[in-house]
Amino acid sequence: EIVLTQSPGTLSLSPGERATLSCRASQSVSSSYLAWYQQKPGQAPRLLIYGASSRATGIPDRFSGSGSGTDFTLTISRLEPEDFAVYYCQQYGSSRFTFGPGTKVDIK
Amino acid sequence: EVQLVQSGAEVKKPGESLKISCKGSGYSFTSYWIGWVRQMPGKGLEWMGIIYPGDSDTRYSPSFQGQVTISADKSISTAYLQWSSLKASDTAMYYCARRGNDEVYDYFDYWGQGTLVTVSS
Repeated sequence: EIVLTQSPGTLSLSPGERATLSCRASQSVSSSYLAWYQQKPGQAPRLLIYGASSRATGIPDRFSGSGSGTDFTLTISRLEPEDFAVYYCQQYGSSRFTFGPGTKVDIK
Repeated sequence: EVQLVQSGAEVKKPGESLKISCKGSGYSFTSYWIGWVRQMPGKGLEWMGIIYPGDSDTRYSPSFQGQVTISADKSISTAYLQWSSLKASDTAMYYCARRGNDEVYDYFDYWGQGTLVTVSS
């Protein structure tokens, strides 16, 4: 089973700053099967990025994804107040989905 | 508009059975896989399993195989997650989510609002 590790666990930043979130896989993951989600308190997760770098419908271009193999990154170029949330990476492989433990982006 | 609407919150006792639902609308329900995801209080997301309502093909996470049953009734565009004997450790929010119908990529593009299940004596 592929295990996803996300770092840091918590990222404390101010609005306007750049956020860089990491997702590492225990073995190589197809970029096509790597997605990122945002979850705010009391809400369901929302798809942000699929295929490692493609933005989902309606997602602002301040969100971008990159990476391949075992290392993937979600970047938020300039944090807006509504971006403070928990972010999860997710992969599909060997007929299973797995999620990373999440990175919480909170206000400094 | 694509929507997944889940059944309401449940409070159950250990040992009781439960079936929660997820009704899809605004798209061809039989053409998309529906997955179930658990989120225990204050914790992350865990994939439980997935079903293709078109033919009821079902796959389970090894962590949940034998612990829950996933089913679907395509005549009413509804997927289900059920337990035969609940435990306190089943207390969690449960989400259904639609798997994107994409030959190249794999992701969950629409999510239900969640069903909170509380198991307590």
